[in-house]
Amino acid sequence: IAGITQAPTSQILAAGRRMTLRCTQDMRHNAMYWYRQDLGLGLRLIHYSNTAGTTGKGEVPDGYSVSRANTDDFPLTLASAVPSQTSVYFCASSESGGTGELFFGEGSRLTVL
Amino acid sequence: GQNIDQPTEMTATEGAIVQINCTYQTSGFNGLFWYQQHAGEAPTFLSYNVLDGLEEKGRFSSFLSRSKGYSYLLLKELQMKDSASYLCAVVDSNYQLIWGAGTKLIIKP
Repeated sequence: IAGITQAPTSQILAAGRRMTLRCTQDMRHNAMYWYRQDLGLGLRLIHYSNTAGTTGKGEVPDGYSVSRANTDDFPLTLASAVPSQTSVYFCASSESGGTGELFFGEGSRLTVL
Repeated sequence: GQNIDQPTEMTATEGAIVQINCTYQTSGFNGLFWYQQHAGEAPTFLSYNVLDGLEEKGRFSSFLSRSKGYSYLLLKELQMKDSASYLCAVVDSNYQLIWGAGTKLIIKP
């Protein structure tokens, strides 16, 4: 049982490049989330999706976009990467939004130079 | 604004007991989570409290006082593998999770 799979696990890219972080879950969870984690700060929500076909903005959505074409996949795209987007990105899912336990992927470490 | 406060770092001895505190000021309250995160890994669920009182789960217990905006995580019989960061998160009135910065727990032999 894989749970949540993220790819790539690590990536270095030049500023201005486009990048998509992939996230797939096999638990048939309705809600999915993208967080970034930076040293000294709590997890910050970038975008979320409560169900397939819907998405919403979190606390720090600028510079990022998401799509939810089906239940399993929730890719995060950086249209034009900037150094401040250097971070560890976690994808997560829960059976339902709100008070449900979150299941996290292993994270994607992104460095923008 | 919304705020979750936790100590940045704590040190404890193997076999001892440690209490990690979390205080919160949020717009509404619909529950509080504790997650464990080992270095370089993903957070994993430890506990969820929505009513006042103590929830015990093996060596770990979590306490909540909604009137005081306060929770703690109690770890007993500490083991070296308990060295990790412990994240407190509150579900606000919009059912969004507000996260604390986490408490790094260092266990010494």
